[in-house]
Amino acid sequence: GDSVTQMEGPVTLSEEAFLTINCTYTATGYPSLFWYVQYPGEGLQLLLKATKADDKGSNKGFEATYRKETTSFHLEKGSVQVSDSAVYFCALSDPRGAGGTSYGKLTFGQGTILTVHP
Amino acid sequence: NAGVTQTPKFQVLKTGQSMTLQCAQDMNHEYMSWYRQDPGMGLRLIHYSVGAGITDQGEVPNGYNVSRSTTEDFPLRLLSAAPSQTSVYFCASSRQATNTEAFFGQGTRLTVV
Repeated sequence: GDSVTQMEGPVTLSEEAFLTINCTYTATGYPSLFWYVQYPGEGLQLLLKATKADDKGSNKGFEATYRKETTSFHLEKGSVQVSDSAVYFCALSDPRGAGGTSYGKLTFGQGTILTVHP
Repeated sequence: NAGVTQTPKFQVLKTGQSMTLQCAQDMNHEYMSWYRQDPGMGLRLIHYSVGAGITDQGEVPNGYNVSRSTTEDFPLRLLSAAPSQTSVYFCASSRQATNTEAFFGQGTRLTVV
């Protein structure tokens, strides 16, 4: 079945440091890939997405490139800020779930806690 | 612009009690879903609906029921609460099932004692 694996956390960085959070996936079909962010006490919100191979999603200085050959969707930011402290989830949406039926659910990684210090 | 609204935000139940978590969206989305979030496990799908009158099970449906009588509302019912259902529950909606952004509510933190 579908699965998403994220790098182990938590990740602690100083302000203006470079951020990478690794994400790899397995899927039966040709999925869309997402990064969601969860700020303290809030629900998840979409950070960026990519729907086909070699697409680059970007938002708020974050970027991720859909790499079909390595089944990866790593999140990067060149200079993090204290306000980026949150939990980051990699997720996929596979239009053909188990059994070949159209399912459409989001499969999430376990989440990576990011803390940025001044 | 309310988006997805969940109530209550916090709840404590005794083992064996039942309750309903409410979820409403005002974006006219057809696809709605319920997830539970547990430490180190990400979010796991409980039930989902592709439109009014249509629901189906996700990967962890046991102990939960849903119904979808209107496009706007998608309540989650705990039939007989157990400590294993202690979790944070999120409702989400999206315009279609795949390839589009899912909008999440703020969550309900449930503790079963």
